Amino acid sequence: DAGVTQSPTHLIKTRGQQVTLRCSPKSGHDTVSWYQQALGQGPQFIFQYYEEEERQRGNFPDRFSGHQFPNYSSELNVNALLLGDSALYLCASSFGSNQPQHFGDGTRLSIL
Amino acid sequence: KQEVTQIPAALSVPEGENLVLNCSFTDSAIYNLQWFRQDPGKGLTSLLLIQSSQREQTSGRLNASLDKSSGRSTLYIAASQPGDSATYLCAVRSRRGNQGGKLIFGQGTELSVKP
Repeated sequence: DAGVTQSPTHLIKTRGQQVTLRCSPKSGHDTVSWYQQALGQGPQFIFQYYEEEERQRGNFPDRFSGHQFPNYSSELNVNALLLGDSALYLCASSFGSNQPQHFGDGTRLSIL
Repeated sequence: KQEVTQIPAALSVPEGENLVLNCSFTDSAIYNLQWFRQDPGKGLTSLLLIQSSQREQTSGRLNASLDKSSGRSTLYIAASQPGDSATYLCAVRSRRGNQGGKLIFGQGTELSVKP
């Protein structure tokens, strides 16, 4: 039974570019949450998707957007990348928005 | 606004020692509190989840307690081993408004267990 899978594992971009990160939830899960974790910090909630709609959002600018597909997989898009967007981006899935979340290994994004 | 704090930020102990990691939160209106382990460059592995109505949970050498009224939780690790070296994060799920879907994390405690 595959857990939460994220791709790619590492990514290097330059300032101003756009990036798309992908997440496949654990089998049986229908809700996907995204978190940003800067070096030495705890993860910060970006947003959560359920039934292909954004249900909750943290304190992140509109440059951060997402999508959920009918098969429950999800994408995180970040436009106009800044140096401060360098972080580990974690995807978590759950069955319903209030159930325990299972995390993937993340995508390490580096901005040059 | 819910804030989660973990003390200490880093801890180094000799193998075999029992240790306690601390987590505090500012708003007692929570559904639950969860402890995670994170190895370098990796995702989060859930260790223990304590519902707001519970006082503690145990798994093997790990025991987590919750005192909701004082806004505190502790993670007790017995007979520490070098393989326990990792960053430990606590997170709460808030009951306030439409906040129940997200986890609010502390900054973590980086644990090093020396052989």
